[in-house]
Order: sequence, then C-alpha cells, then structure tokens
Amino acid sequence: SQQGEEDPQALSIQEGENATMNCSYKTSINNLQWYRQNSGRGLVHLILIRSNEREKHSGRLRVTLDTSKKSSSLLITASRAADTASYFCATDVLSSNTGKLIFGQGTTLQVKP
Amino acid sequence: DTGVSQNPRHKITKRGQNVTFRCDPISEHNRLYWYRQTLGQGPEFLTYFQNEAQLEKSRLLSDRFSAERPKGSFSTLEIQRTEQGDSAMYLCASSLGTGVGQPQHFGDGTRLSIL
Repeated sequence: SQQGEEDPQALSIQEGENATMNCSYKTSINNLQWYRQNSGRGLVHLILIRSNEREKHSGRLRVTLDTSKKSSSLLITASRAADTASYFCATDVLSSNTGKLIFGQGTTLQVKP
Repeated sequence: DTGVSQNPRHKITKRGQNVTFRCDPISEHNRLYWYRQTLGQGPEFLTYFQNEAQLEKSRLLSDRFSAERPKGSFSTLEIQRTEQGDSAMYLCASSLGTGVGQPQHFGDGTRLSIL
C-alpha cells in the first residue's frame, strides 16, 4: 500500500519557472527521499532528508520536511525542459530496519521550452 | 560504478507461463530490493535481501513469486503461472550499508506484459 499522497498529480510550467511538489505520509519515518523517473526508465535518487532535519539543498533542489504535519515539499528552481519527468517521494519508515521505501503516487512534471 | 543492471528489459508471455528476471546490483552493495510498479503508480515493495538472506517479503508476494540471491551477488525473481494482474514493471534496487538512511540505486526495470 502507498504511504501517502503527492500533490499535485500533474504540473505543467514554462522553462525558467519554479516547480513545487508536495508529499504527505502517514507513519513516523527515519528519513524521506525524493526520486525522479523518466518515462520507461528506473528511478534516480535526488535527495535524502533525515527526520531531524527541516530543510536541505542540492543544486537547484530544495526539500523541506515537517514531521509534525507529516509532509514534505520539493522545490525545483529555474526549471529546464530536461526536468520533465515523474517525481516520487519515498519514506523509510521508523518501524523498519531494512531500508525499504514506501512510495507516493508521484507528480508528473512537464516543463515546456 | 556500472549501475544496477536488469534483464530482460521487456518480457511478453502468455498467461500461465513462468517467467524469470535477473538483477545485477552494484558490486559492493549488500542490500537488494525488488519493487513492482504499475502504470501511473509509485513502486511497491516486494522483497528485501541483505547479502544472500531474504529478510522481508511483502504480502504482495504471493506463493507464485519466488526470489533468490545466491552468494549475495545477483538476484532472480521468478513468477510461476503468470496472471493478467502480474503485468507491471519490476524494478530492482541496491544500496550499501546496514543502517537506515541510504539512497537506493535503481535499474531500468523489466516490463512484463501478459497476453
């Protein structure tokens, strides 16, 4: 079963604009991770934020985590056509010591040139 | 780092046939995961190996599914007596470490289509 929900399900923006995706989850976590998936390909890890962190940056990516609200957001700044992909949040739940990930349903991002 | 490799990339088979997929993880990675992804959904966890030991299986993994990781290297996922509902992308991922907080490296998956 899915851990939570992502919002919006689909997002279409112009190149250069910022894109924000939100993720909510249900149970306590060790960490939350964001992945990107291009059509027909596997997932690529983008960024990991631990449960005791509130914000993390990596290049044009900014992730926030609010454990009290069980939510996270991914911001992609100055988007490019190459950012067109599906983006998934995934949680490493506290009750597991295997590192298995529980994924959301994803946000499909289209960046128009 | 040659990445995680999965074979075949595509498999088309008739209902009732058996299929086997292979995953070659990144060589030094001790953890290996199988996930299943249907169209428009996020991946769902199927099973987890630490080295050669299968330590967790999802309830999604019915008795028609079996996975192995002999000698803690490559892994195989077999589906017996395939059904229409088995049509999906099967993804393999690997990671390094024994604790939590490790990113997973995914292969490009095997897309299974049941006729």
